[in-house]
Amino acid sequence: GQSLEQPSEVTAVEGAIVQINCTYQTSGFYGLSWYQQHDGGAPTFLSYNALDGLEETGRFSSFLSRSDSYGYLLLQELQMKDSASYFCAAYNFNKFYFGSGTKLNVKP
Amino acid sequence: EAGVTQFPSHSVIEKGQTVTLRCDPISGHDNLYWYRRVMGKEIKFLLHFVKESKQDESGMPNNRFLAERTGGTYSTLKVQPAELEDSGVYFCASSQVPGMRGEQYFGPGTRLTVT
Repeated sequence: GQSLEQPSEVTAVEGAIVQINCTYQTSGFYGLSWYQQHDGGAPTFLSYNALDGLEETGRFSSFLSRSDSYGYLLLQELQMKDSASYFCAAYNFNKFYFGSGTKLNVKP
Repeated sequence: EAGVTQFPSHSVIEKGQTVTLRCDPISGHDNLYWYRRVMGKEIKFLLHFVKESKQDESGMPNNRFLAERTGGTYSTLKVQPAELEDSGVYFCASSQVPGMRGEQYFGPGTRLTVT
């Protein structure tokens, strides 16, 4: 079957760095995406890794290791507005398989 | 450019009733997806349209769910008859070329409550 595992909740303070891990088990894996969802809102795309390594987009970076079936999202210089749920999603040609989401709480 | 829109935003119905959810994708996006999230769990794939054709409907729970995409534009998802376990948030997403950047544009979702 297809499964993605990520921590259910993470807490960090404003200005800190936090890493959200994702391990996956899927067939036909093409790449790993990350999405952010604020309460009641639409999931919004953050990043995508098709190849091994680090992708950087401003304060956010995402990493993928295909050999370890593992990826992470790194958020730097945390701001209060980063409090949200973060989902990893494995892309399998036709569709995405999502994890259960990690709720990030940023405290002052 | 308008984003993905969904209607209604909330729906409360009784078990046994019928509900139809609507999704309007971003104009020009051939790929349209339906997902469902039950509280606290993963966002689960339901089906994928390419234009008006169902590319993959392996995630549809059972034959009480029927999705259509007339003319390759908007899509509807009908649940008939609704059961308690159908409660959740139904998301629609669209994209142009899904594989290239792993990016989809999501709508705000329809929160369905079956009582």
